[in-house]
Amino acid sequence: GIQVEQSPPDLILQEGANSTLRCNFSDSVNNLQWFHQNPWGQLINLFYIPSGTKQNGRLSATTVATERYSLLYISSSQTTDSGVYFCAPRGWYGGSQGNLIFGKGTKLSVKP
Amino acid sequence: DSGVTQTPKHLITATGQRVTLRCSPRSGDLSVYWYQQSLDQGLQFLIQYYNGEERAKGNILERFSAQQFPDLHSELNLSSLELGDSALYFCASSVGGAASGNTIYFGEGSWLTVV
Repeated sequence: GIQVEQSPPDLILQEGANSTLRCNFSDSVNNLQWFHQNPWGQLINLFYIPSGTKQNGRLSATTVATERYSLLYISSSQTTDSGVYFCAPRGWYGGSQGNLIFGKGTKLSVKP
Repeated sequence: DSGVTQTPKHLITATGQRVTLRCSPRSGDLSVYWYQQSLDQGLQFLIQYYNGEERAKGNILERFSAQQFPDLHSELNLSSLELGDSALYFCASSVGGAASGNTIYFGEGSWLTVV
């Protein structure tokens, strides 16, 4: 199955700083989602981004499927951005799409 | 609010017992997925249903079973519970089946503690 590697595993930022989170995956995918898990455990969908670039407020994401990686940019970070960010590509099984495969995540702590 | 509803939110039970977790997908979604998140295993896919039929199976133990009902809600049954089953169980839903590309939305999860 698909292997997913996220880096860095841990990240500490001062409020207002920018950051880039990276996700590498081992096989071709045609669907990839980024999630934010907040300190209460909720998994919040950030982006559905199989390819290209999308922006939503201070967050943006880029997926280069041919090179098997995706990036999540967080600008002007806020304390509410703290939590764990997961990349989850969706591979192919038997000719149809499989299920989301989660990486181990990047744990982000934003200090005031 | 993702629109996926899970109950109960928290559950504490003893080893050897059986529990049922319930999930109502987003309106119009035909696919339901179950995931388990534990400290040592991370987020793992358990099982998927599409319009009432099992579509895919992941790392689901034989002690666990699930079904999707005609009204599309789903239940995950966990039996002969062990301490290691303590985890956060997520239900997720999407519009189509595995063959269609679409966003998968997650519920808030059910926290299960086995004591």
